[in-house]
Amino acid sequence: TQLLEQSPQFLSIQEGENLTVYCNSSSVFSSLQWYRQEPGEGPVLLVTVVTGGEVKKLKRLTFQFGDARKDSSLHITAAQPGDTGLYLCAGASNNNDMRFGAGTRLTVKP
Amino acid sequence: EPEVTQTPSHQVTQMGQEVILRCVPISNHLYFYWYRQILGQKVEFLVSFYNNEISEKSEIFDDQFSVERPDGSNFTLKIRSTKLEDSAMYFCASSADHNTEAFFGQGTRLTVV
Repeated sequence: TQLLEQSPQFLSIQEGENLTVYCNSSSVFSSLQWYRQEPGEGPVLLVTVVTGGEVKKLKRLTFQFGDARKDSSLHITAAQPGDTGLYLCAGASNNNDMRFGAGTRLTVKP
Repeated sequence: EPEVTQTPSHQVTQMGQEVILRCVPISNHLYFYWYRQILGQKVEFLVSFYNNEISEKSEIFDDQFSVERPDGSNFTLKIRSTKLEDSAMYFCASSADHNTEAFFGQGTRLTVV
């Protein structure tokens, strides 16, 4: 079963700053998803990446899938307090259904 | 916009009792999943279901757990004899294709006392 390591575990920044969070594994994924989760709610899908080297943009969020499909990053430009939340990556392979990392808890201070 | 719905939102049960958690996946989706999240911990995979059978299950999904799609719309998770450590948020998810674009419900908070 693939293990996903997310870093950093916690991140606290000021409004307007840029940040990058990472999702790494030794396994190759057929697809990787990024979710955002608010307390007491279910994960909300942000993006799915399937092709090595793929870059997807969602407003101020930029997602990149590593060339070898083992890792991914999420970059947020000019963070806002509304970006505060738990960011989860989840990867699936041909052998295993989607597994989650432990998440990065982001706090953006006004 | 189509969404996954789960009921109940909260369930409190006595240890040893059976519970059934219900989910209505997105209507044209074919793959269904259950995950759980113990308070403050990571989201853990329990089981996936396709074509009316389990396609994968984790070590957590022992013989106390079962899943069923009793009709064309519902997908249920049953815990036969609940234990204190079963207390968690249980999330149902569904996807149109295998391992892509999985959408989650809001979860059922199960508390075993």
